[in-house]
Amino acid sequence: AQTVTQSQPEMSVQEAETVTLSCTYDTSESDYYLFWYKQPPSRQMILVIRQEAYKQQNATENRFSVNFQKAAKSFSLKISDSQLGDAAMYFCAYLHYQETSGSRLTFGEGTQLTVNP
Amino acid sequence: AAGVIQSPRHLIKEKRETATLKCYPIPRHDTVYWYQQGPGQDPQFLISFYEKMQSDKGSIPDRFSAQQFSDYHSELNMSSLELGDSALYFCASSLVTQETQYFGPGTRLLVL
Repeated sequence: AQTVTQSQPEMSVQEAETVTLSCTYDTSESDYYLFWYKQPPSRQMILVIRQEAYKQQNATENRFSVNFQKAAKSFSLKISDSQLGDAAMYFCAYLHYQETSGSRLTFGEGTQLTVNP
Repeated sequence: AAGVIQSPRHLIKEKRETATLKCYPIPRHDTVYWYQQGPGQDPQFLISFYEKMQSDKGSIPDRFSAQQFSDYHSELNMSSLELGDSALYFCASSLVTQETQYFGPGTRLLVL
């Protein structure tokens, strides 16, 4: 079974600074997807960024980027120019895609990010 | 853009009662997933449906059942509710041909 580990239960960053959230995973599959979801106090699950394992290029979405190290099974999220609205719980998630039936997400334990003004 | 709709948003039940949670996927999405998030925990996969058939099953108690209807909406039925069932229940939808799941706002269930 796949497992996802986030070793930082809490992180804090100053507004306008950069912060990196860590995630490692374990899988025997070669083709899979990785995601970062954000859960603000409203508890809505919001997709931040996704990475296809077969792509070597790291994904970026505006201020959010990832450092995907497939051999090390590491998938970290970098938030640049942090804003107060970035404060949330961040979940790393793994998915082994199965086209004919859909695929479950496996989540890490989450990292609570605080942004200090 | 249309999002996943869940109803009700909040639900309070007594122990041993039953509850029904509804999920309306994004239009044209054919796959629905249910997740349970306990207090201070990460979401746990319960069950999924593709084209009205159960496609995958996770850690869903036998007291729970679910189905997907012809209009692709899904319902999660929960019977003999226990205190431990108090949680946030998410529905997510996707196209089976795509890997990204989009989450609804969740239903907060409190069992007293």
